[in-house]
Amino acid sequence: EVQLVESGGGLVEPGGSLRLSCTASGFTLSTAWVTWVRQAPGKGLEWVGRIKTKTDGGTTDYAAFVKGRFTISREDSKNTLYLQMNSLKIEDTALYYCTHLFRDYWGRGTLVTVSS
Amino acid sequence: DIQMTQAPSSLSASVGDRVTITCRASQDIRNDLVWYQQKSGKAPKRLIYDASTLQSGVPSRFSGSGSGTDFTLTISSLQPEDFATYYCLQSGAYLPYTFGQGTKLEIK
Repeated sequence: EVQLVESGGGLVEPGGSLRLSCTASGFTLSTAWVTWVRQAPGKGLEWVGRIKTKTDGGTTDYAAFVKGRFTISREDSKNTLYLQMNSLKIEDTALYYCTHLFRDYWGRGTLVTVSS
Repeated sequence: DIQMTQAPSSLSASVGDRVTITCRASQDIRNDLVWYQQKSGKAPKRLIYDASTLQSGVPSRFSGSGSGTDFTLTISSLQPEDFATYYCLQSGAYLPYTFGQGTKLEIK
């Protein structure tokens, strides 16, 4: 069974940092372009960023609202990828999903709350 | 960035109704459009990709059309399980990808 499982969410103060993980099972994450999508409470979906496979250069792309603050990386040996979030703002509060958009694989999300 | 304007933001309809949701892109995105359904507390589920291709396993009452800047999702005969929120996503050559604002489909 294919699964994506996000972890690492929690409560953090404004200006703080958090690292989210996304671990895959049932398929090899190294073959996937993986995207992070977030959803603020009661709001719509927002594309956060993506990382390509190493074969395709391993490059990353980000939405303007996270550029310079968030970094996506991958550790293919662990079938895991990461979203490092720095300089967090209250408006970053959301449920963060990792997804293999091409195959429509989604995790259940991990909740990040930025509050003092 | 490409803006996706989705309408309506909410819609009340009855079982058996035909429903149409639209998405307009701020520039030509060819057919690089995906439609998702999201139920409360769940991850989105893809319904349509490449603007008009039905995802495997999705009922044929769902259909998509359009290209360029104007796109439509149609549900031909609403079923009780279709009441959810629907999003479009432009996901082609232009980054960042952008979602429409969503359409909440409620029971009348």
